[in-house]
Amino acid sequence: QSALTQPASVSGSPGQSITISCSGSNSDIGGYDYVSWYQQHPGKAPKLLIYDVTNRPSGVSDRFSGSKSGNTASLTISGLQAEDEADYYCSSYTVTTTKGVLFGGGTKLTVL
Amino acid sequence: QLQLRESGPGLVKPSETLSLTCTVSGGTISINTYYWGWIRQAPGRGLEWIGEIFYSGTTYYNPSLKSRVTISIDTSRTQFSLKLDSVTAADTAVYYCASGLFDSKGTWGQGALVTVSS
Repeated sequence: QSALTQPASVSGSPGQSITISCSGSNSDIGGYDYVSWYQQHPGKAPKLLIYDVTNRPSGVSDRFSGSKSGNTASLTISGLQAEDEADYYCSSYTVTTTKGVLFGGGTKLTVL
Repeated sequence: QLQLRESGPGLVKPSETLSLTCTVSGGTISINTYYWGWIRQAPGRGLEWIGEIFYSGTTYYNPSLKSRVTISIDTSRTQFSLKLDSVTAADTAVYYCASGLFDSKGTWGQGALVTVSS
């Protein structure tokens, strides 16, 4: 199983919008609507932001949104705030010999 | 509110077995829609899915770790556990337990750093 591909870093200014991409294959992102996104601040556990491509858990700001096209999923953060500076990880359901979960390599978001 | 907490040795010798337990509080471990999983993060690296277990005992493992991993569940004690055999320095990581749907985990433990060193 190869990790999903994310850009190593992205940046944006407060108030702007940014998008983080996550590329996979027909065996994961392209084959199922089971993509999730997590936010991780230094020294903290990951926090679920998006599940099933577009759904937000209760309590997650609507500034976070997810989408998918083909084998690539995206996380968009609108109205960037300083506290959004963190690492972001995508994940996807995958099936090879059995079902499993793949994570992306992570993207460091810097708020300028 | 569901809470998870990892426990176990913070130092393991090479070639030995890493053992961690996740204790569940604030809810039942026998939820028939939830999976109980382990994810690790090596220092300065990304997240790696280790595997997960359903309350019935059905397990799913990362193929790259499958030969060394065992995840078990004790519903009477509301705990689930991870064993990783024949560890090397490459297994040094923060190990998280987490719960939720198979492919998305909404509740995470605080993480437990396990260092493999003699």
